[in-house]
Amino acid sequence: GAGVSQSPSNKVTEKGKDVELRCDPISGHTALYWYRQSLGQGLEFLIYFQGNSAPDKSGLPSDRFSAERTGGSVSTLTIQRTQQEDSAVYLCASSQTSELNTGELFFGEGSRLTVL
Amino acid sequence: AQSVTQLGSHVSVSEGALVLLRCNYSSSVPPYLFWYVQYPNQGLQLLLKYTSAATLVKGINGFEAEFKKSETSFHLTKPSAHMSDAAEYFCAVTKTSYDKVIFGPGTSLSVIP
Repeated sequence: GAGVSQSPSNKVTEKGKDVELRCDPISGHTALYWYRQSLGQGLEFLIYFQGNSAPDKSGLPSDRFSAERTGGSVSTLTIQRTQQEDSAVYLCASSQTSELNTGELFFGEGSRLTVL
Repeated sequence: AQSVTQLGSHVSVSEGALVLLRCNYSSSVPPYLFWYVQYPNQGLQLLLKYTSAATLVKGINGFEAEFKKSETSFHLTKPSAHMSDAAEYFCAVTKTSYDKVIFGPGTSLSVIP
């Protein structure tokens, strides 16, 4: 597709289970971001991938959270031993980086996670 | 380090009134600046962006923003609010496309009939 694709769009899980959220960025976009948005809250930065550089993991809230980006394209955000406070919408965004680009982000529709 | 502040986490305006959402940034070099909008239960979309071509930037849905270097501001305005403008608005900054984009905390806009 032409846009950023995220799956699943909705995920309900039980406390203590692991979940994986997937992001398929726009083809050719070298930068990829994960954000968390709790109900009525702003964007909480989680992790930033830029090309082949080491990812910026400074926003990951605990060691239960991890993310990888395979082949510079698809990214997976994994939450281990989910807790109720992990319930939120997880947003992915990508952008193209070059001298001619401005860093504009393109967002997916998000994955809504509910932990019971 | 870059940062973005948005004065007022919640702003209410009457339908037809002026919309003014404030954004101030800190950056060591002339930045790229953005306003994103998030309508209820939707993802974020770009409203407008400043890339140094012109200080007054026009975006979608009648919004515009003016880059003022001396004030390090990039306030968003619209002359006449519509009910459909009710949304969350985020200001963002980056130095170049190779640098991480930094978002402000967001401003929730309510439009009163």
